Amino acid sequence: GAVVSQHPSRVICKSGTSVKIECRSLDFQATTMFWYRQFPKQSLMLMATSNEGSKATYEQGVEKDKFLINHASLTLSTLTVTSAHPEDSSFYICSARDIGTGTSPLHFGNGTRLTVT
Amino acid sequence: QKEVEQNSGPLSVPEGAIASLNCTYSDRGSQSFFWYRQYSGKSPELIMSIYSNGDKEDGRFTAQLNKASQYVSLLIRDSQPSDSATYLCAVNSDSGNTPLVFGKGTRLSVIA
Repeated sequence: GAVVSQHPSRVICKSGTSVKIECRSLDFQATTMFWYRQFPKQSLMLMATSNEGSKATYEQGVEKDKFLINHASLTLSTLTVTSAHPEDSSFYICSARDIGTGTSPLHFGNGTRLTVT
Repeated sequence: QKEVEQNSGPLSVPEGAIASLNCTYSDRGSQSFFWYRQYSGKSPELIMSIYSNGDKEDGRFTAQLNKASQYVSLLIRDSQPSDSATYLCAVNSDSGNTPLVFGKGTRLSVIA
């Protein structure tokens, strides 16, 4: 089945530093990947849509200069949280759909738990 | 605004019973429907996809779709404590490469 690999699974960083999260589709190609954030006991929130070879599309209220997204190939998207602050501590999850059809489901990575101290 | 509504729960059922989870959606043009299970602290895991009206069964899980009523449900037979999780209903409104619209999820608790 379709596998999405996300690294790291857990990261602790100091306030003001940057953190890069990688999302790879292992056995399929994805022109589009989606980045979600989830705070404890809350629902998934779509942050941005990552488009291969072009700029990401950000949801309202998500700072594009803070959350840098790069989708350099059909199997890799990265999210960089720049100048992280404690309020950025959250569970970040990427997802992707096989390039074939938009009616197919999204497959999720295992998520990255970010703690900013 | 495309919306997906779910009862947040918690829904508590005894072990061995049938758990029934419901979901309604606002966009009548929606084409594909999914149920995800999310354990606490983990990412969502796809458990069922359904694309046409009627029932679709996979093991202990049955998804039901009624496009006229804009209603999707998930039945879990012989519920087990390991089924305790949050179940997310997700809808795709078009055939393009757009994100799914998720409901807020229903928390299921199966009591041993």
